[in-house]
Amino acid sequence: SQTIHQWPATLVQPVGSPLSLECTVEGTSNPNLYWYRQAAGRGLQLLFYSVGIGQISSEVPQNLSASRPQDRQFILSSKKLLLSDSGFYLCAWSVRLMYGYTFGSGTRLTVV
Amino acid sequence: KNEVEQSPQNLTAQEGEFITINCSYSVGISALHWLQQHPGGGIVSLFMLSSGKKKHGRLIATINIQEKHSSLHITASHPRDSAVYICAVGGGGSNYKLTFGKGTLLTVNP
Repeated sequence: SQTIHQWPATLVQPVGSPLSLECTVEGTSNPNLYWYRQAAGRGLQLLFYSVGIGQISSEVPQNLSASRPQDRQFILSSKKLLLSDSGFYLCAWSVRLMYGYTFGSGTRLTVV
Repeated sequence: KNEVEQSPQNLTAQEGEFITINCSYSVGISALHWLQQHPGGGIVSLFMLSSGKKKHGRLIATINIQEKHSSLHITASHPRDSAVYICAVGGGGSNYKLTFGKGTLLTVNP
């Protein structure tokens, strides 16, 4: 069966510290992968998407970066966190040219 | 860019009531999704619609492509239905990115 794993579930990090959030998908190959963020009181916003290994597209200018070192692995990173990076981060995947979406369980990041 | 509007923003109901949540969007789409987000944050996909109507248990979702509008109905609502319901639309293409509404917070009281 197809599953998506995202960790950690909760993270509290000081301003200026690095960040690494990981997402892995099982049971499918060559998925589209996405990182979304939900800031307090706002809707989900697409940060990055990837249609293949090493292919990353950024939707909004920001302090974050993404990488896809393997087909089913998607990593969200930052070298130095800002207070404004706080939020709920969701990984998701879809099958190319099909419209079904599967979401991870999310990571709640608080930058202090 | 697609604009997705949901209404109402907040909804409180008594157990057993019929619930309707509305979603409208500005640009033609390939599919529309209704999602459910519980307090812990995890998101569950309820429906994906390209046309017509879908039903799953007490949940019904409809879409009118011409009017760029969709509704999510909950029949015989129950306190466990309390959650944030989110509408999202996708424009198609090989990357299939979604644009999300801000969500509707539903509280069902016993």
